[in-house]
Amino acid sequence: AQRVTQPEKLLSVFKGAPVELKCNYSYSGSPELFWYVQYSRQRLQLLLRHISRESIKGFTADLNKGETSFHLKKPFAQEEDSAMYYCALRGTGNQFYFGTGTSLTVIP
Amino acid sequence: DTGVSQDPRHKITKRGQNVTFRCDPISEHNRLYWYRQTLGQGPEFLTYFQNEAQLEKSRLLSDRFSAERPKGSFSTLEIQRTEQGDSAMYLCASSPLGGSNQPQHFGDGTRLSIL
Repeated sequence: AQRVTQPEKLLSVFKGAPVELKCNYSYSGSPELFWYVQYSRQRLQLLLRHISRESIKGFTADLNKGETSFHLKKPFAQEEDSAMYYCALRGTGNQFYFGTGTSLTVIP
Repeated sequence: DTGVSQDPRHKITKRGQNVTFRCDPISEHNRLYWYRQTLGQGPEFLTYFQNEAQLEKSRLLSDRFSAERPKGSFSTLEIQRTEQGDSAMYLCASSPLGGSNQPQHFGDGTRLSIL
């Protein structure tokens, strides 16, 4: 089965603290994974994709095939990082599977 | 370029009625996706077009749902004989060709409420 699991519905951290949003996936092939973010009153938008190995807004995510994980990390959280974060997997036939999302709140 | 546009933003209808939503993708984006999102859940894939061809359709998609993209530009999603469970946000996204990791650009969605 192709599936994405985000175990945390809500996550609160203090400003300046490290943050990690967890994502685990189930996929038999070579996965293509993404993180999408939705800020308040804005559209869902791409944050980063594993294939690019990029850092966006200080966020990074490393694909760990052994643990089937793609956790999103940032060393120092900022208030503007408060948003809803979704992990997504591109499955077979170009179908995309999204997790249930994690709502991140950064406390000033 | 104003991005992906969806119309209407909100739709309220009685159970049993048919509804149709429209999505205008970013021009020159060949790929178009429809998703459904309910409260507390992530977007759920419904169907995918490449140009005018509907290449993928979720097995979970009821026969009451149909989507078209007749000229490879805008797309419509129709729900026939709506049910209470169809109440959700319907999202459209588009992306260019050029590799499977091209980002999807989402619209604001159409919120459907079934009375």
